[in-house]
Amino acid sequence: AQSVTQPDIHITVSEGASLELRCNYSYGATPYLFWYVQSPGQGLQLLLKYFSGDTLVQGIKGFEAEFKRSQSSFNLRKPSVHWSDAAEYFCAVGPNAGKSTFGDGTTLTVKP
Amino acid sequence: DTGVSQNPRHKITKRGQNVTFRCDPISEHNRLYWYRQTLGQGPEFLTYFQNEAQLEKSRLLSDRFSAERPKGSFSTLEIQRTEQGDSAMYLCASSFYPLSTDTQYFGPGTRLTVL
Repeated sequence: AQSVTQPDIHITVSEGASLELRCNYSYGATPYLFWYVQSPGQGLQLLLKYFSGDTLVQGIKGFEAEFKRSQSSFNLRKPSVHWSDAAEYFCAVGPNAGKSTFGDGTTLTVKP
Repeated sequence: DTGVSQNPRHKITKRGQNVTFRCDPISEHNRLYWYRQTLGQGPEFLTYFQNEAQLEKSRLLSDRFSAERPKGSFSTLEIQRTEQGDSAMYLCASSFYPLSTDTQYFGPGTRLTVL
């Protein structure tokens, strides 16, 4: 069975500071991995995805994530956080996009 | 391209009533997915269609739930005899398969409150 753990329920960072959101997964084969962002009243938006190849993936809005097979992790990073990045972030794993299993999310608060 | 739309955005109903939600996917997308999201949790897969065929249903989808995509375009999700535990956000997503990326695009969701 596939599963995702996002260990941090809530993270607070200062504007301009760097950010790392953790994601650990369990999957029996080579996974497809995704990070989504959800703002209040908005649908989920795909930030980036990993299917194969380069383990450092670049996404939209200045986000990147690194796939580490040995650690079963796919952590999301951003070098400098903006106030507009405050939202909920979800990591997902699956055989494809449609049958993904999502983590329970990490809520990001950005302090001015 | 106006994205994935869902209607209504909010629905309040009394326990025991039936409700129906609609999802309009991105026009050229052949796959359509339904998810349920409760407070503090990530989306949970319910079912998905490829064109008009319903290819998979989660065990979460009890007999009170039914989904259709009659012409391979829009889809409806009906919940019969609603229960308070059905209160959640119902999300729809679409994608174009078999593009290798198979990226899902999500709608804004329908929030259901069962009193």
